This record gives sequence, C-alpha cells and structure tokens, in this order.
Amino acid sequence: GEDVEQSLFLSVREGDSSVINCTYTDSSSTYLYWYKQEPGAGLQLLTYIFSNMDMKQDQRLTVLLNKKDKHLSLRIADTQTGDSAIYFCADPSGGGYNKLIFGAGTRLAVHP
Amino acid sequence: DTGVSQDPRHKITKRGQNVTFRCDPISEHNRLYWYRQTLGQGPEFLTYFQNEAQLEKSRLLSDRFSAERPKGSFSTLEIQRTEQGDSAMYLCASTSGDRVIDEQFFGPGTRLTVL
Repeated sequence: GEDVEQSLFLSVREGDSSVINCTYTDSSSTYLYWYKQEPGAGLQLLTYIFSNMDMKQDQRLTVLLNKKDKHLSLRIADTQTGDSAIYFCADPSGGGYNKLIFGAGTRLAVHP
Repeated sequence: DTGVSQDPRHKITKRGQNVTFRCDPISEHNRLYWYRQTLGQGPEFLTYFQNEAQLEKSRLLSDRFSAERPKGSFSTLEIQRTEQGDSAMYLCASTSGDRVIDEQFFGPGTRLTVL
C-alpha cells in the first residue's frame, strides 16, 4: 500500500534555512501536500506541488519534487521561531476520494 | 464560514464505555473525512462521506466504530466498548471537492483518553 516516510526531528537556528524531507511510494498522485500542525491547532495546508512540477516557490517556502526518486522536500528560508511546528508530507492516494496518506511528521524546533 | 468544528475537544472515559464525537464541516462541503492521530504519528484515514453516503472505510475502523452523516451535514463518530488503544486524537476534515487542489480543511480534533 501507499507509504510516506519522513525524518522525525529537525533543529535549526533562527535565520537559517530548514529542509524537511519526505519519500513516498504512490506515484499516481496528481499533487502532493505539505501540512503544518501547531500545538493546540488543527492541521493547516501549507503548500502543495503538482506532480508535473519539479519546483514551486511561495515566499519563504520552496518545494522540490524528484519524481524519479519519489522524494519531496520543503525548504523554509530565514526560519523564524514562529515556524516551530510539526510538518507533514501528505499524499492523496487517489481512487476518487483523495484520502490523505500522511507521513509521521517532522518536528521543527527553531532556537535563537 | 467558521471552519470545521468538533465537539467535544477533550473526552476522558473509562474502558468499556461508549463515546460519540461530532463534526460540523464547513457549510456546503459535501465531502467529509475522519482521521485518527496517535502520539508521534501522522493522521490515519478512518472513513469518508460524500454527502450522506459513507463510501470508504479503513480497516482501522473495527466493528466497534460507527460513523454517520445523516443529512449530509454534520457527522458523528461513535466508539463502543472503548479500549485503551482507542486513545488518540480524532480529526475531521471537509472539502468541497470542486477545486483543482482538493484542500481538506481540518477541525481542531477531539482528544480521547481511555483510562
């Protein structure tokens, strides 16, 4: 079945760039998502990338997609303390219902 | 548009009791999903409704679990004879399904603790 894997923890200094990585197994998805979860808050869609794109930039966020290796990454430039959260890579498995297959999440800790 | 709401936000129960959670999706969203998230894991799909029809159920949804969406608006998730392994955050999401990017909007979740 579909599977999505992520590294579990990342610690960066404020102002540095953060790179969160994800690998997935299902290759039929039209797009892939990055969701953000902050303590006490619901999951929020952060950004997405269509499967026919290699890169997408959205302000401080850059998403890279390597379809050959089934690897997705999220780069956050100039990381701020407010970026501290859990980031989930999510794959809509298709079949018409678009249920999301999530990775275990990467906890990003930003320190001064 | 007030977003997806869930009630209660927290529920503590004793093993063997029944519990019911409610989800109110964004109005006019015809698609509704339930997910379960345990500590340190990502959400896992439980079930999906299109309007009032339950179209898919995960194998995670044992016979003790039942979900309904009687009028195609709010949904309920009931767990009978709760077990300690049911302790988790139960998340509801909704979407209109009519956009190219089928963004699922998530509620804040109901955290269940089974003692």
